Amino acid sequence: QVQLQQSGPGLVKPSQTLSLTCAISGDSVSTKSVGWNWIRQSPSRGLEWLGRTYYRSKWYNDYAESVKSRITINPDTSKNQFSLQLNSVTPEDTAVYYCARGNGNLNYWGQGTLVTVSS
Amino acid sequence: DIVMTQSPDSLAVSLGERATINCNSSQSVLYSSNNKNYLAWYQQKPGQPPKLLIYWASTRESGVPDRFSGSGSGTDFTLTISSLQAEDVAVYYCQQYYNTPHTFGPGTKVDIK
Repeated sequence: QVQLQQSGPGLVKPSQTLSLTCAISGDSVSTKSVGWNWIRQSPSRGLEWLGRTYYRSKWYNDYAESVKSRITINPDTSKNQFSLQLNSVTPEDTAVYYCARGNGNLNYWGQGTLVTVSS
Repeated sequence: DIVMTQSPDSLAVSLGERATINCNSSQSVLYSSNNKNYLAWYQQKPGQPPKLLIYWASTRESGVPDRFSGSGSGTDFTLTISSLQAEDVAVYYCQQYYNTPHTFGPGTKVDIK
């Protein structure tokens, strides 16, 4: 059974960097062609897919255009986890952030982290 | 980006009755080379992450009760709950994964009448 455990701060100051980690058990971040995704949810934007990383003989990333200039998703094979970094945050980035496993359809999700951007 | 819309925004159905949710995509999510619709349905209860119910538009995820079914092709899709149970009260989302970004619909809230 795959489990995803999220960690990271719940409060970030404007202009700073949001950083979250998703630890994987029951699978490997290096499993070929399995995507490791970040999604966020807010009342104003609904569910918004942010991006993913996946391994297929080398590492690939896909990012949503809305955050492409600010986002980095990195795998960490030594710890079997992956991370989200979102730079230059504003209050508009306040949301519940989820990590999830899947190639499009997302069959395992983390528990969610409410991240508030406020000074 | 592919825009997903859903109707209705909310619905209330009596226990044991049928609930039907519609989802429309702004362009086809049917991939002609494998004849698969890149469309999923999720259920979300308060304080929980979304749960995958249906993928490839009509394939039920393991463990999902058979009262949940998905249908449709191209741009028009339907999620049907054949006999609503109390535990089905939730918000339901469709999602396309034909193109990145993998966009979600705005959700349909299902309640008991």
